[in-house]
Amino acid sequence: ETGVTQTPRHLVMGMTNKKSLKCEQHLGHNAMYWYKQSAKKPLELMFVYSLEERVENNSVPSRFSPECPNSSHLFLHLHTLQPEDSALYLCASSQAVAGLNTGELFFGEGSRLTVL
Amino acid sequence: AQSVAQPEDQVNVAEGNPLTVKCTYSVSGNPYLFWYVQYPNRGLQFLLKYITGDNLVKGSYGFEAEFNKSQTSFHLKKPSALVSDSALYFCAVRDKARDDKIIFGKGTRLHILP
Repeated sequence: ETGVTQTPRHLVMGMTNKKSLKCEQHLGHNAMYWYKQSAKKPLELMFVYSLEERVENNSVPSRFSPECPNSSHLFLHLHTLQPEDSALYLCASSQAVAGLNTGELFFGEGSRLTVL
Repeated sequence: AQSVAQPEDQVNVAEGNPLTVKCTYSVSGNPYLFWYVQYPNRGLQFLLKYITGDNLVKGSYGFEAEFNKSQTSFHLKKPSALVSDSALYFCAVRDKARDDKIIFGKGTRLHILP
């Protein structure tokens, strides 16, 4: 069973709501990621945290705000979303050595977001 | 520039037949290559990876992949398909030009027909 846990599994929100997605990893990894998976599109890397510092933000709109309080937890705060933001949001972790992501990613089961 | 390509959106194979899911890559230097599988309503699961060494890599659930440097390919294979292999398969590469981030292909849906 996965060592990366995401909550909630399903979320429906209006365009004016504020909600958060949570991810927790129990693998002792030092890097965590948010990916967006939309139908018929490649997996999109949104944010990367390595040793709790954000190292990549792939030009994600500011209505998505990540937070990484420690190496085991990662949040994605959502507000004023658009219907096109509806997607499966996947959290992953890995063990980075000397800042290099050489290993495989371990994914959670995802949070299915629907924006009305 | 695209780092990894999966040319087939869908592959259909009869149960018991061999299967191949194709992947080609385009990165500078020696590639680190991965295959992941995603079952319905689940996250991605790691299958196997190529870092260095033997070009034939064995992974989970009886899958294997062959690294071919001259053809810049890393095709996923299994000698005898099972219905339970039906899923979405992703090829991925660590791209040094993008700070070693793991970049995914668009995925190939594999249907195993009973």
